[in-house]
Amino acid sequence: AQSVTQLGSHVSVSEGALVLLRCNYSSSVPPYLFWYVQYPNQGLQLLLKYTSAATLVKGINGFEAEFKKSETSFHLTKPSAHMSDAAEYFCAVSEGFGNEKLTFGTGTRLTIIP
Amino acid sequence: EPEVTQTPSHQVTQMGQEVILRCVPISNHLYFYWYRQILGQKVEFLVSFYNNEISEKSEIFDDQFSVERPDGSNFTLKIRSTKLEDSAMYFCASREGDTQYFGPGTRLTVL
Repeated sequence: AQSVTQLGSHVSVSEGALVLLRCNYSSSVPPYLFWYVQYPNQGLQLLLKYTSAATLVKGINGFEAEFKKSETSFHLTKPSAHMSDAAEYFCAVSEGFGNEKLTFGTGTRLTIIP
Repeated sequence: EPEVTQTPSHQVTQMGQEVILRCVPISNHLYFYWYRQILGQKVEFLVSFYNNEISEKSEIFDDQFSVERPDGSNFTLKIRSTKLEDSAMYFCASREGDTQYFGPGTRLTVL
């Protein structure tokens, strides 16, 4: 069985500061990992994904994440927060081809302080 | 850019009534999914669908739920007799390769 833990249901950072959203996973097979963003009253938009290629993955809007197998982590970062980054962020894991259902974490609500 | 669409955006129904939530996946995708998100909780997998049959379903997806692809474009989720605890946001997704693309969701409120 697979699972995802997102530490911190709410994170606040100042505009221009580093954004770090934590995600740890559990999977019995090499995982596929995803970060999705949900803006208010909207659906889930893919930010980036790791599917067994490069461990440092770059996504949209300046976000990136690094897959660390030894730490079973896939933390999301952005060097400089922007007001438009305020949203809910979900980390998700799947077992890849043959079992693509996504298992989501509980989400982290990111607030940007002007 | 192609996107997944869902209708209605908000559905209010009485307990015990049947509801059908509709989704139009991205046109060349072959794999479809339904997820739900109860307010304040995580997004949960309900069911996956491929080649006109269910590939996998979760424990949540009991006999009250069914899915159908009635034509070449729509993908529906039916809840036969709604319960209060079915109140949630329901997301449809379609997949190409390793990536699932989500619709904007239907908020279902059961009174």
